[in-house]
Amino acid sequence: QVQLVQSGGGVVQPGRSLKLSCAASGFSFSDYTMHWVRQAPGKGLEWVAVVWYDETRKFYGDSVRGRFTVSRDNSKNMLYLQMNSLRGEDTAVYYCAKEATTLGYCSPTSGCLATDYWGQGTVVSVSS
Amino acid sequence: DIVVTQSPDSLAVFLGERATINCKSSQSVLYRSNNKNYLAWYQQKPGQPPKLLIYWASTRESGVPDRFRGSGSGTDFTLTISSLQTEDVAVYYCQQYHSTPVTFGGGTRVEIK
Repeated sequence: QVQLVQSGGGVVQPGRSLKLSCAASGFSFSDYTMHWVRQAPGKGLEWVAVVWYDETRKFYGDSVRGRFTVSRDNSKNMLYLQMNSLRGEDTAVYYCAKEATTLGYCSPTSGCLATDYWGQGTVVSVSS
Repeated sequence: DIVVTQSPDSLAVFLGERATINCKSSQSVLYRSNNKNYLAWYQQKPGQPPKLLIYWASTRESGVPDRFRGSGSGTDFTLTISSLQTEDVAVYYCQQYHSTPVTFGGGTRVEIK
């Protein structure tokens, strides 16, 4: 069965860095475009980033562009989110999510796909 | 960016009665090339990740009960729960995936009256 198991969250001071991981299993990871979505405490969902199945393209939300980097290692079935220059407003539960169909070309000029499986979430708390 | 607006913010419905949630996008999420609306609905219960209910505006995800129905096209969409059950108490989000940045509505909390 499809599983996305997340790790790497924690408490970090403003300005510091943190790297989240998402271990995928139960599907052909290298065929699927993957997303990161976050949810601040008591708030709604905010899209963070997307990486194409072959890692050729990546796109980011305005609030994280230039500070966060999404990457993947298809040989290890792993998805990552490197978060630098963290701010208090980055405090949230972070989710990785898989697109519902293979070979998605999500971009500003072409459609993405809905996400059918999500990780369990990992908490990131940015505080001094 | 496409702004997605949901209404109401919350609603309380009697068991067995209908719940209706609206979602409006600031621009059309319909791609005429394939006639698909890039709009999904998710259900989120406390402490859990979101669960995909509906995609392409009206296609139910496998295993989702048929009391959940998505409708609409272009910029106006609706999620209807035809007969509310206790397990449907949750927050519901619509999402446009027409293009990045992918955006979500603010959520609608559904409770039992």
